[in-house]
Amino acid sequence: GAGVSQSPRYKVTKRGQDVALRCDPISGHVSLYWYRQALGQGPEFLTYFNYEAQQDKSGLPNDRFSAERPEGSISTLTIQRTEQRDSAMYRCASSSRQGVGEQYFGPGTRLTVT
Amino acid sequence: QQQVKQSPQSLIVQKGGISIINCAYENTAFDYFPWYQQFPGKGPALLIAIRPDVSEKKEGRFTISFNKSAKQFSLHIMDSQPGDSATYFCAASEANTPLVFGKGTRLSVIA
Repeated sequence: GAGVSQSPRYKVTKRGQDVALRCDPISGHVSLYWYRQALGQGPEFLTYFNYEAQQDKSGLPNDRFSAERPEGSISTLTIQRTEQRDSAMYRCASSSRQGVGEQYFGPGTRLTVT
Repeated sequence: QQQVKQSPQSLIVQKGGISIINCAYENTAFDYFPWYQQFPGKGPALLIAIRPDVSEKKEGRFTISFNKSAKQFSLHIMDSQPGDSATYFCAASEANTPLVFGKGTRLSVIA
């Protein structure tokens, strides 16, 4: 079946603009995770959902970052008033059960803030 | 504070050799230890995982060895092939918490 998909795959935006990154998890997967991955580094946790409920947002860098998953499926990560330091690969992962840890990653969205 | 420390940062292995990547962790509540493989331009892909009730798990050429007392676990790739060249990440989590990743090991298998 289809894996995790993310859109757009690449996003270039000017500093100060808002961006919305979308994640479509594997069908039926309960949990959805957002990570940020710098070049040459491992993924760094941002936030995650079980169904539509946001369980943990402790990894969000500041209040310009927010995420939602209103119907328990597709999720959107929004970055307001983007800054150059927000440039990174943003990855989404999903898992079929809560708390199991077997996460399947999407291809990511490469965000560049100019 | 880095919760999962991975080494080496890079590794070059001859074709047919054994690749060994090590990780150490601090949080004794961690109960799930996966390894991810990532090719350039792709997302990390789950390779193999272990829970602390066993000391070793083998899947094909890939083996995880787990030492609970030392708080260490390692990935062994037997008969390494050029197609195994990728970046490998160890990770750890405890129930209902997100994965914590190591910084990655770039493996190059040369003929």
